[in-house]
Amino acid sequence: ETGVTQSPTHLIKTRGQQVTLRCSSQSGHNTVSWYQQALGQGPQFIFQYYREEENGRGNFPPRFSGLQFPNYSSELNVNALELDDSALYLCASSLGLAGGINEQFFGPGTRLTVL
Amino acid sequence: GQQLNQSPQSMFIQEGEDVSMNCTSSSIFNTWLWYKQDPGEGPVLLIALYKAGELTSNGRLTAQFGITRKDSFLNISASIPSDVGIYFCAGLYSGAGSYQLTFGKGTKLSVIP
Repeated sequence: ETGVTQSPTHLIKTRGQQVTLRCSSQSGHNTVSWYQQALGQGPQFIFQYYREEENGRGNFPPRFSGLQFPNYSSELNVNALELDDSALYLCASSLGLAGGINEQFFGPGTRLTVL
Repeated sequence: GQQLNQSPQSMFIQEGEDVSMNCTSSSIFNTWLWYKQDPGEGPVLLIALYKAGELTSNGRLTAQFGITRKDSFLNISASIPSDVGIYFCAGLYSGAGSYQLTFGKGTKLSVIP
């Protein structure tokens, strides 16, 4: 069974650029959630995708967007990068929605640095 | 929005000692969770609590869901070096068919051999 994988591991961008982060969910999982974890903070919920549709969003601006593909892998896109976007971006996959919380697995994250 | 206050922020303990950390919220949650995060890794679920007053153990870990549903604590007994890491509490909000986790800021645990 393959776990949650994320790519790239690290990324450096400059202000104003756009970035795409990728997540492959665990085999059989159809739900992906994305989180932003700033240094020294807990993860903050960005949004969740279930069966290719956005299904819940945290307090993040529209320049944070996402996609989920038929194979349930997912992308997080951030436009017009700002310095405060520097963080570890985590995705977590699970099977189903609230009932699957015990089976939510996090990937190792992508470390984004915005200069 | 919902906020979780987690304390202490960090702690240094001797190997073999017991550890206690807690989390309080301004809002009610239906589920409380405790995670551990190692450097370079994503959080790993340790314990999930589903009912007010529930006390649950997982090996040397014990966690309780507060009766008011606004707090939770985690105890680690007889700490060992591999307990080092950052521990997060999280409250689960579910509504309108979706669910999202609100995390505390973490407790960084250091164990002195």
